[in-house]
Amino acid sequence: QKEVEQNSGPLSVPEGAIASLNCTYSDRGSQSFFWYRQYSGKSPELIMFIYSNGDKEDGRFTAQLNKASQYVSLLIRDSQPSDSATYLCAVQVGYALNFGKGTSLLVTP
Amino acid sequence: DADVTQTPRNRITKTGKRIMLECSQTKGHDRMYWYRQDPGLGLQLIYYSFDVKDINKGEISDGYSVSRQAQAKFSLSLESAIPNQTALYFCATSDFGETQYFGPGTRLLVL
Repeated sequence: QKEVEQNSGPLSVPEGAIASLNCTYSDRGSQSFFWYRQYSGKSPELIMFIYSNGDKEDGRFTAQLNKASQYVSLLIRDSQPSDSATYLCAVQVGYALNFGKGTSLLVTP
Repeated sequence: DADVTQTPRNRITKTGKRIMLECSQTKGHDRMYWYRQDPGLGLQLIYYSFDVKDINKGEISDGYSVSRQAQAKFSLSLESAIPNQTALYFCATSDFGETQYFGPGTRLLVL
């Protein structure tokens, strides 16, 4: 079983703070890593992907990958109430994306 | 217009009925996928197709079948619906890369 683990939360942060979302995976053959955001009852939408060790920044979002530790994270700077959603980590191995169960983020005004 | 569309968006059916969920895409992608999502759970892959002649089972294919009618169309059928198939169903597409783009979902209730 190829596991992708996320803390279910909820993770509560005040508006303007940095939200840190974490994900671990079990398959060392994993090649690509994705973060999706999902609002309640809506479809997942891609935020970022990362392939190489290190950091990747896009606006307020930074993805971090450490393949040796089998760990990927998403940082959201200057969190806004509109960032309140469930964040899904997805790990690609071969043909498939394996999704974690998601972390619920609540940004409080 | 949305790149990935699903019909119907909501469906209520009874145990034992056969139903079909449809997915269409205008992204020109070869790869299409069907997932189900249950509350508090991750997305589970039901079936996937890399082209019209290539269809493969995912992790939870029992009780489901699919048809790839064209590059742009991928349908999911529940042969004899049962209550534990009540879920949110998503279609997704991707090109040769791995990034998947999701449709709006179909909410299915089996009574």
